[in-house]
Amino acid sequence: DQQVKQNSPSLSVQEGRISILNCDYTNSMFDYFLWYKKYPAEGPTFLISISSIKDKNEDGRFTVFLNKSAKHLSLHIVPSQPGDSAVYFCAATPFGDKLIFGTGTRLQVFP
Amino acid sequence: GAGVSQSPSNKVTEKGKDVELRCDPISGHTALYWYRQSLGQGLEFLIYFQGNSAPDKSGLPSDRFSAERTGGSVSTLTIQRTQQEDSAVYLCASSFDRGPGNTIYFGEGSWLTVV
Repeated sequence: DQQVKQNSPSLSVQEGRISILNCDYTNSMFDYFLWYKKYPAEGPTFLISISSIKDKNEDGRFTVFLNKSAKHLSLHIVPSQPGDSAVYFCAATPFGDKLIFGTGTRLQVFP
Repeated sequence: GAGVSQSPSNKVTEKGKDVELRCDPISGHTALYWYRQSLGQGLEFLIYFQGNSAPDKSGLPSDRFSAERTGGSVSTLTIQRTQQEDSAVYLCASSFDRGPGNTIYFGEGSWLTVV
């Protein structure tokens, strides 16, 4: 049972445009959501997070939106840069318990 | 070092052999996690240690897998009688405490290949 789903395995975006990565979850007990970025041969690194009491969190070029009623969150990257090319994992946790990750979306930003 | 350290970084083993993977979490972090990522798959939760509490072993795929954490710091993940489907990158992570807002930090992983 995949509690966190990233239905797009890959996304290709032109440099300077907006990248939108989507994530859906099924467990209504999740109250904290995170995005991690992973380059090949490296461990995932934390990117941005959002608590369930908010619907938006912004950090520079990265913004995460949370729609609790739809059990959906998205990561917006604008403007996209070639260095953003990586695999992005959505993760969720109920009450600070273990993180449950999605299957990842590979983002490629081309010039 | 300041980050999560894992060893070995790469391990090739013959089917049926036992392997041990080691994780040194960030100093002071009470929570430690093991995940694995098989080729083309997402991050699969394996086991979670939090302080002196009993570990959450709900993600271990079979009884060939076990993990321990000695002294609340270093952890060892052991895979007995390895199978080819065990080939994956095994990622260790740690966080300061349990709870929202406590970012978990990953090591670079131990790449296991079973031949």
